[in-house]
Amino acid sequence: GENVEQHPSTLSVQEGDSAVIKCTYSDSASNYFPWYKQELGKRPQLIIDIRSNVGEKKDQRIAVTLNKTAKHFSLHITETQPEDSAVYFCAASSAGNQFYFGTGTSLTVIP
Amino acid sequence: DVKVTQSSRYLVKRTGEKVFLECVQDMDHENMFWYRQDPGLGLRLIYFSYDVKMKEKGDIPEGYSVSREKKERFSLILESASTNQTSMYLCASRKSGTGVEQYFGPGTRLTVT
Repeated sequence: GENVEQHPSTLSVQEGDSAVIKCTYSDSASNYFPWYKQELGKRPQLIIDIRSNVGEKKDQRIAVTLNKTAKHFSLHITETQPEDSAVYFCAASSAGNQFYFGTGTSLTVIP
Repeated sequence: DVKVTQSSRYLVKRTGEKVFLECVQDMDHENMFWYRQDPGLGLRLIYFSYDVKMKEKGDIPEGYSVSREKKERFSLILESASTNQTSMYLCASRKSGTGVEQYFGPGTRLTVT
């Protein structure tokens, strides 16, 4: 089956700096890559996703890039703010119904 | 707006008890999932169901079973709870198809003593 690895497990940045979280996957059939944000005590919520026919997608301060050849995708957050502090999960999915999640990155934005 | 609800936010049970966790979604989603979330281990899939009365084992099904008698409801059952099943349990649902996001419930924090 699919194996998704996520790095780093923890990340601290100064407010206003950028944060980058990286994930790799193993199954070349994976074609959908969502990113979820989970604030403390809350449910994971989708913040951005990308499909395999696209190399990059942006939504305001958040962007995701995908390199299908290398089988890796990354989340980029620019101009970080304290409210960006949360745990971020990447995931990979193919034509099947199952999502394979990374182990999460705990991001702390220091004011 | 999709709503996924879980029967309890917090639950405390004793070792050996039978435990039922229920999940309900109101958007006619075909697929439903149960995960457990532990620090450093991320979200691990226990079971999922792609249709009524259908179920598939995930990565860690041992010690768990599931039931899906109606499309909107997916139950996770711990036949005989053990302390190593103390965890956060998250339910999710999605429409069938490629490139469709999962919607999560608020989670149930289960403590087995």
